[in-house]
Amino acid sequence: DARVTQTPRHKVTEMGQEVTMRCQPILGHNTVFWYRQTMMQGLELLAYFRNRAPLDDSGMPKDRFSAEMPDATLATLKIQPSEPRDSAVYFCASGLNWDTNQPQHFGDGTRLSIL
Amino acid sequence: QKEVEQNSGPLSVPEGAIASLNCTYSDRGSQSFFWYRQYSGKSPELIMFIYSNGDKEDGRFTAQLNKASQYVSLLIRDSQPSDSATYLCAVKWGGNQFYFGTGTSLTVIP
Repeated sequence: DARVTQTPRHKVTEMGQEVTMRCQPILGHNTVFWYRQTMMQGLELLAYFRNRAPLDDSGMPKDRFSAEMPDATLATLKIQPSEPRDSAVYFCASGLNWDTNQPQHFGDGTRLSIL
Repeated sequence: QKEVEQNSGPLSVPEGAIASLNCTYSDRGSQSFFWYRQYSGKSPELIMFIYSNGDKEDGRFTAQLNKASQYVSLLIRDSQPSDSATYLCAVKWGGNQFYFGTGTSLTVIP
């Protein structure tokens, strides 16, 4: 059963440190999404890619966040420097052929705590 | 500003009853509609999607779409305690982006 794989599953670090989260989309999927979920804000879209090209990252704080897809099997989300307000669950999702009614498939998430 | 709105609940129903979850959206250009279930501490998982007006049934789940009223709902028949979760409505507009509601928390009481 194909799955989106995210690493690490949990991350605890101190304020000011760099955090890198990784995502392996389902093989063959051509779109990748990064979300942040908190109790207060719910699920927020940070960035998404189609065929490895960034299409929209307007939901992402540009001064500290960056998202890349160095190849079709890897997407990364970096926070530098991290702040306590970045504590959240970060989900990656991938999908196929967004011109049709294909859904997104979510990874298990990275639970990030910034002390 | 595109919006997807859900009643946050919590919604409580007795076991065996029908649970009704509702979602409204702001943009008439919306194309596809998805319901995800999210258990506490887990990732969202797809339950159903619908893109045509009317009803779509899958087992105990029925999705209903009314584009004129900009309204999509999810009915869960014969609710079970295992259905207790947060249900997220997602709407896809033209292009590639999804917009999620904040979710409705459902509790099925044994």
